Amino acid sequence: AQKVTQAQTEISVVEKEDVTLDCVYETRDTTYYLFWYKQPPSGELVFLIRRNSFDEQNEISGRYSWNFQKSTSSFNFTITASQVVDSAVYFCALSEYTNAGKSTFGDGTTLTVKP
Amino acid sequence: KAGVTQTPRYLIKTRGQQVTLSCSPISGHRSVSWYQQTPGQGLQFLFEYFSETQRNKGNFPGRFSGRQFSNSRSEMNVSTLELGDSALYLCASSLALAGTTGETQYFGPGTRLLVL
Repeated sequence: AQKVTQAQTEISVVEKEDVTLDCVYETRDTTYYLFWYKQPPSGELVFLIRRNSFDEQNEISGRYSWNFQKSTSSFNFTITASQVVDSAVYFCALSEYTNAGKSTFGDGTTLTVKP
Repeated sequence: KAGVTQTPRYLIKTRGQQVTLSCSPISGHRSVSWYQQTPGQGLQFLFEYFSETQRNKGNFPGRFSGRQFSNSRSEMNVSTLELGDSALYLCASSLALAGTTGETQYFGPGTRLLVL
């Protein structure tokens, strides 16, 4: 069975601070996909990144960066110089490589960025 | 390209009633998945449809069912509603067959169901 753990339930930072959201996963599969989504108050899940288990390269997109470490089963997400608009619930998710239509989600981390 | 649309956006029902929710995927997407989101249980997978066939099913009772039409639009139905069915129901669509290029799911805004 797959499991995703986001140990941080809530994080509060002041604007311009850097913040890292942790994600630890469990799976028996050797190949799989990992995702991060953002859920603003409107409710719609916004896709941020997909990473397959073959690719352990870190990725940077603007102020966002992701650190994938297969050895520790972690896929952490860092926001640099946070902004108020980053306030949202962030979800980490895991899916089977050959069954990507079914994802297992973590419980989410609520990020509040204060001005 | 239009995103995933879900109707209705809000719904109030009473216990024992049944409800049907609709999801229109992004044009060209053939897979539609449904998720239930509640404060207590988080985001849980309900089922996935591909080419009008249910491809995956989560751990929900038989009161929850779905279908997909030839145009890839999908509906989910919940019969004999219970208070605990109050939730945000999210639909996601994806393009490729699983196991090929890998699938990224794009989510709709959700239908918020309140059962009284």
